Amino acid sequence: QSALIQPASVSGSPGQSITISCTGTSSDVGTYNHVSWYQQHPGKAPKLMIYEVSNRPSGVSNRFSGSKSGNTASLTISGLQAEDEADYYCNSYTNRGALPWVFGTGTRVAVL
Amino acid sequence: EVQLVESGGGLVQPGGSLRLSCAASGFTFRTYWMHWVRQAPGKGLMWVSRLNGDVTITNYADSVKGRFTISRDNAKNTLYLQMNSLRAEDTAVYYCVRESGDSFDYWGQGTLVTVSS
Repeated sequence: QSALIQPASVSGSPGQSITISCTGTSSDVGTYNHVSWYQQHPGKAPKLMIYEVSNRPSGVSNRFSGSKSGNTASLTISGLQAEDEADYYCNSYTNRGALPWVFGTGTRVAVL
Repeated sequence: EVQLVESGGGLVQPGGSLRLSCAASGFTFRTYWMHWVRQAPGKGLMWVSRLNGDVTITNYADSVKGRFTISRDNAKNTLYLQMNSLRAEDTAVYYCVRESGDSFDYWGQGTLVTVSS
């Protein structure tokens, strides 16, 4: 089961906007809207930030937004803040492999 | 408040066994799919296994199939992972995760499993 492809790292200055891509195939991101994003700070458990491509759970800042085009999903962080420095993982439902969900490779976000 | 609390991790020799537990509270446990996800040191997230609420469907990653067994006790609101024939590559933090149907909305704090002689 191949992982979704994310850039290894993305960086930005405070106040800027950054976008993290998540590239899959027609077996996952391209077909299903069950795409979600998770934030993980060092030594902590992942936290759900976006579900169903573009929905934010209660309590998640509206600086975080999600979208999808074709086989690629994206997470945008606007007004970048120091606390946004973390690892981010995408996830999608898939119709290939032993398990019906697949994670992305992960992206380290650095706030310069 | 939803809480997932893992326990049972530790140091084990290659070929050994370990059973992880995840105590759930704050929601109707029996109605949710539950998962185990692991993260090797410095690596990304990897799915291990999942189990539905009425214990009729299980799935495993190919790398653990035949060695790991997921189970649950809905009366005790507890999820388990029995891990046998452990290998060095199974070393990871293991997370207990609740599936909401379209995403994974709650994660435990994780329990570290180290396989080493």
